[in-house]
Amino acid sequence: GENVEQHPSTLSVQEGDSAVIKCTYSDSASNYFPWYKQELGKGPQLIIDIRSNVGEKKDQRIAVTLNKTAKHFSLHITETQPEDSAVYFCAASIEAGGSYIPTFGRGTSLIVHP
Amino acid sequence: EAQVTQNPRYLITVTGKKLTVTCSQNMNHEYMSWYRQDPGLGLRQIYYSMNVEVTDKGDVPEGYKVSRKEKRNFPLILESPSPNQTSLYFCASSPEGQLPLYEQYFGPGTRLTVT
Repeated sequence: GENVEQHPSTLSVQEGDSAVIKCTYSDSASNYFPWYKQELGKGPQLIIDIRSNVGEKKDQRIAVTLNKTAKHFSLHITETQPEDSAVYFCAASIEAGGSYIPTFGRGTSLIVHP
Repeated sequence: EAQVTQNPRYLITVTGKKLTVTCSQNMNHEYMSWYRQDPGLGLRQIYYSMNVEVTDKGDVPEGYKVSRKEKRNFPLILESPSPNQTSLYFCASSPEGQLPLYEQYFGPGTRLTVT
């Protein structure tokens, strides 16, 4: 089955710096890669996603890049703010006989210091 | 307000006592699923449902049951809970039941402790 590795597990930055979280996946058939932000006491919320036919996607301060050859994708947050502090999860999904079973990374705890 | 609701939000129970965690969405979504979240392990899918009366196993289905009799509801049933099912559980729904997939909306979570 699919295996998703996420690094780092903890990331501490100063306000205004950039933050990068990286994920690798094992199954080349995966074609959908969402990123979720989970604030304390809440459920995960989708912040950006990318499909395998696109190499990069940007939404204001957040961007995601995908390298299908190397099977890795990354989340980039620029000009970080304290409210960006949260746990971030990457995921990779693969179609298997019409089903949908996403595999999540283990999460990155991002801490933005004012 | 469009949302996914779960009840209860917190539950402490004893080994072997059957319990049900309810999940309901008001967005007319076809796809619903259950996840458990454990420290250091991320989110793992338990069961999912592509539509009414259609359910299938995820990565970690052992010890769980689900049903999808109505489009809006997707309860998670633990027939005989054990301590290793102590976890944080999330229900999620998505507006599209077939690929390509769209955003999953997660509920607020249910923290279950089995003693």
